[in-house]
Amino acid sequence: QSALTQPASVSGSPGQSITISCTGSSSDVGSYNLVSWYQQYPGKAPRLMIYEVSKWPSGVSDRFSGSKSGNTASLTISRLQAEDEADYYCCSYAGTSTYVFGTGTKVTVL
Amino acid sequence: EVQLVQSGAEVKKPGQSLKISCKASGYSFTSYWLGWVRQMPGKGLEWMGIIFPSDSDARYSPSFEGQVTISVDKSINTAYLQWSSLRASDSGIYYCAVVGYCSGGTCLHDAFDTWGQGTMVSVSS
Repeated sequence: QSALTQPASVSGSPGQSITISCTGSSSDVGSYNLVSWYQQYPGKAPRLMIYEVSKWPSGVSDRFSGSKSGNTASLTISRLQAEDEADYYCCSYAGTSTYVFGTGTKVTVL
Repeated sequence: EVQLVQSGAEVKKPGQSLKISCKASGYSFTSYWLGWVRQMPGKGLEWMGIIFPSDSDARYSPSFEGQVTISVDKSINTAYLQWSSLRASDSGIYYCAVVGYCSGGTCLHDAFDTWGQGTMVSVSS
């Protein structure tokens, strides 16, 4: 059960859009539409931003959107804002009540 | 309000045992899986394992199988993560989180929704 692969860092200017990829395998991302995304500020607990690939939990801005193609899921942040600067992690269900997180991506707002 | 409150920071020596807790409130504790996640200093999130409080069915990541034990006490709505013999490499922040919570007809299938505040564990000689 290897960690899902994410780019270490992604950056963008305010107002731009950025996309974070999350590559797994046919045992996790490719097999289930159960990818979730989390935002984490330094020293804080993670916060759920997207679940079931593309759904928003209550209270999450629609500037965050998710998608999936094959073994790769993606998180897009539109109209980038300074407050979006944080670490982002994907997570996929991997069968028999097991899960795997991504390696994490640091988003920098230039 | 769904809430998870974790026990306080711990400072231990290698070889010592430890049990940290995660107390749930505001929802039906026995109806949802509860997971544990590790974050080593300056590193990413790692899924450790998960437990269904109703029957204590526990599943572990291969990386943590045999290294930790996840348990619950249904009478006090509390989940536990324990080590029998700590190592320096166990240092980190440990989070608990509810999985797949349902509210108002919407279920967050296989997503870690509500998180505890984290418990920092430091292991050093």
